[in-house]
Amino acid sequence: SQTIHQWPATLVQPVGSPLSLECTVEGTSNPNLYWYRQAAGRGLQLLFYSVGIGQISSEVPQNLSASRPQDRQFILSSKKLLLSDSGFYLCAWRKSGGNPMNTEAFFGQGTRLTVV
Amino acid sequence: AQSVTQLGSHVSVSEGALVLLRCNYSSSVPPYLFWYVQYPNQGLQLLLKYTTGATLVKGINGFEAEFKKSETSFHLTKPSAHMSDAAEYFCAVSDQNSGYSTLTFGKGTMLLVSP
Repeated sequence: SQTIHQWPATLVQPVGSPLSLECTVEGTSNPNLYWYRQAAGRGLQLLFYSVGIGQISSEVPQNLSASRPQDRQFILSSKKLLLSDSGFYLCAWRKSGGNPMNTEAFFGQGTRLTVV
Repeated sequence: AQSVTQLGSHVSVSEGALVLLRCNYSSSVPPYLFWYVQYPNQGLQLLLKYTTGATLVKGINGFEAEFKKSETSFHLTKPSAHMSDAAEYFCAVSDQNSGYSTLTFGKGTMLLVSP
């Protein structure tokens, strides 16, 4: 069966420090991968998605970047965190191939990031 | 681009009462629709999805949703609320960006269940 791991679960970082959040998927190959950010009352905002190694699409310009160095690894990074980067970050995957429109996304447990 | 609107950021019900969470979508093509549930500080879990075929979709934990094209709605219901149903619920629609598929979520509805 497929599983998704996301870490760390919580993180407190000072303003201006770097960030690295990691997400890995097991039990599937060539998944579509996503990073979302969740802020209270604002739902889920899609940050990045990837359909393959080294292929990253960004939904919104911001202080964050993403990389996919391996097929089932997705990393969210920042060189210098801002206060506004605080939030709950969720990694997700969907099956590729077939009709991707009708496949559900599977989510990791999330990372609560607090920038102080 | 497709979008979903969830009416009501908070819904309160008594234990045993009917649960109704509203979702309306906007889509230029036949939509694929999803409902997810999120417990505090956890990821999202799929409740059910509509792709094609039967418009009444049954999901986990006794939830179901009905796709109504004429009303562009996909409301989530449960006949009798349990305390354990207290959580945040998200409606989502499959969207396409530059040829790739993503999920676009509503802002969520927090379900509060009182004894």
